[in-house]
Amino acid sequence: DTEVTQTPKHLVMGMTNKKSLKCEQHMGHRAMYWYKQKAKKPPELMFVYSYEKLSINESVPSRFSPECPNSSLLNLHLHALQPEDSALYLCASSQEPRSGSGELFFGEGSRLTVL
Amino acid sequence: ILNVEQSPQSLHVQEGDSTNFTCSFPSSNFYALHWYRWETAKSPKALFVMTLNGDEKKKGRISATLNTKEGYSYLYIKGSQPEDSATYLCEGGRRALTFGSGTRLQVQP
Repeated sequence: DTEVTQTPKHLVMGMTNKKSLKCEQHMGHRAMYWYKQKAKKPPELMFVYSYEKLSINESVPSRFSPECPNSSLLNLHLHALQPEDSALYLCASSQEPRSGSGELFFGEGSRLTVL
Repeated sequence: ILNVEQSPQSLHVQEGDSTNFTCSFPSSNFYALHWYRWETAKSPKALFVMTLNGDEKKKGRISATLNTKEGYSYLYIKGSQPEDSATYLCEGGRRALTFGSGTRLQVQP
């Protein structure tokens, strides 16, 4: 199994809602990542988890809250988002935390629309 | 160059044409350079990882070269086919996990 699975594929939420994005991999990878991508822009790194611990937070607003319940799962909890947070959220994993040349394995993304 | 930059932003070619595009990155403290292929409504998939100056990698009709001294990598597609239509992303350079905006390739039958 070389897949990273993200759910839901599409999410529409209001600014007062609380929702979560979920990411799962069963490749035994020890690093997992959240990226945010807006149209015609590069994917921007948000968070990195290494061995289930948060290792990088790229100054992401607190309305985004990551969680790594176990080595296969990564969640992104969303609360009080703004319309400008509408984007494609990509999850990725790698065998080891990125200190070598290992590739990233991506999910198909969750398309978020904030009304 | 401070970030990873890709050019052109988009490209339209006819089936059978050969094409190439560029990834530029800061040349100091080079780490590694990855190319990914991202088809619409699918997940990005790794094509190549390149680490040494002068590296050349090939997979079928697609190949890539790396010049770490001047800070660029070229991706070449020989005899483009409609199934090559995708966005091609590069990542890395000096800082891992940093992407360019991609080159969107459309191959017309």
